[in-house]
Amino acid sequence: DTGVSQNPRHKITKRGQNVTFRCDPISEHNRLYWYRQTLGQGPEFLTYFQNEAQLEKSRLLSDRFSAERPKGSFSTLEIQRTEQGDSAMYLCASSPDSDYGYTFGSGTRLTVV
Amino acid sequence: DQQVKQNSPSLSVQEGRISILNCDYTNSMFDYFLWYKKYPAEGPTFLISISSIKDKNEDGRFTVFLNKSAKHLSLHIVPSQPGDSAVYFCAARLHTDKLIFGTGTRLQVFP
Repeated sequence: DTGVSQNPRHKITKRGQNVTFRCDPISEHNRLYWYRQTLGQGPEFLTYFQNEAQLEKSRLLSDRFSAERPKGSFSTLEIQRTEQGDSAMYLCASSPDSDYGYTFGSGTRLTVV
Repeated sequence: DQQVKQNSPSLSVQEGRISILNCDYTNSMFDYFLWYKKYPAEGPTFLISISSIKDKNEDGRFTVFLNKSAKHLSLHIVPSQPGDSAVYFCAARLHTDKLIFGTGTRLQVFP
């Protein structure tokens, strides 16, 4: 297992288009998180899953955002009708139940033009 | 509402000397604190953590100190090495798995 994998690494899209990102966590990790990081800021929590259950969503996650983890393994984050303000690094992380220092992937950098 | 603050955006330290990175928080209910290191084009990497019931945790060259009365924690790196040059994020946990991050401090270690 090589860690948390995110695809694509970079995505450039036109405003108004939909985009989908994928995250493959470390295989034995039950918990999966999505964060967003903009320039000069720390990562901001978006949502998290324990197995396939989505347990918490940030109010940052507007109606245009949806995340799924259908079989408790990989997860997808979809943004509909992208806006320029959505441009950011989207980070996925995973952890086992009892671990506090979760492992991040390298992120997907989204640019909305 | 910035609950976790890193007031120094950057720090420059000579190789071999001590690096001290600081973090302040406002919520006394945080139960766990963590430090992450981030290189360009990579995700944050977990470095060291401390429970709110402790005041010090050490791991090799890295030591984290927690002062609950001052709502302050610090990360000490001794001795600093050029490979330590990165952005360091302080993060705090509030009884759930959600972490709240500071804005980061860019550490540069020069020869």
